[in-house]
Amino acid sequence: GQQVMQIPQYQHVQEGEDFTTYCNSSTTLSNIQWYKQRPGGHPVFLIQLVKSGEVKKQKRLTFQFGEAKKNSSLHITATQTTDVGTYFCAGREQTGANNLFFGTGTRLTVIP
Amino acid sequence: DTEVTQTPKHLVMGMTNKKSLKCEQHMGHRAMYWYKQKAKKPPELMFVYSYEKLSINESVPSRFSPECPNSSLLNLHLHALQPEDSALYLCASSRDGGNYGYTFGSGTRLTVV
Repeated sequence: GQQVMQIPQYQHVQEGEDFTTYCNSSTTLSNIQWYKQRPGGHPVFLIQLVKSGEVKKQKRLTFQFGEAKKNSSLHITATQTTDVGTYFCAGREQTGANNLFFGTGTRLTVIP
Repeated sequence: DTEVTQTPKHLVMGMTNKKSLKCEQHMGHRAMYWYKQKAKKPPELMFVYSYEKLSINESVPSRFSPECPNSSLLNLHLHALQPEDSALYLCASSRDGGNYGYTFGSGTRLTVV
């Protein structure tokens, strides 16, 4: 079955430092989504990437989809304490399929 | 209304009890989902409903029984659960077609004793 791994599992950064999490799938993905889950909260949709090599930005967040559509990354510039949480990538194999599988997640801690 | 509402927020049940989790959305989404999340783990897909019909069952044990009475409501009926079923149960919805982000509810934290 589909496996989506993320590294690192945990990341502690000083406030103001940059942060990157990497997502790798065992199979080619039709699209990939990113979610943020605050401690004690629920996943919140951030963005979706569909095209090979696609790059999207949201303020300090930059999302990238690999050329082979098997990997993705999320980069946060100048982290803030509000960035604390677990970041999940989530992908689906088939276009239009409703079975979204979550990656293992990266838990980000920001030290003020 | 851009929310998914789940009730109850917390539930403690015995292994012989029958209980139900409820989920409601009024965004006109035609796809609804149940996910299970254990502590420090990613959400795991359980069931997918598309236009009120069950389209995906990820080999979930029969002690979990989903129901979609209408396009706004999704239930998860629980019976004879085991302590290892204790988890956060998340409901989500999306526009159908697989190309849209999911809106998650805040979840029901279930403890089986």
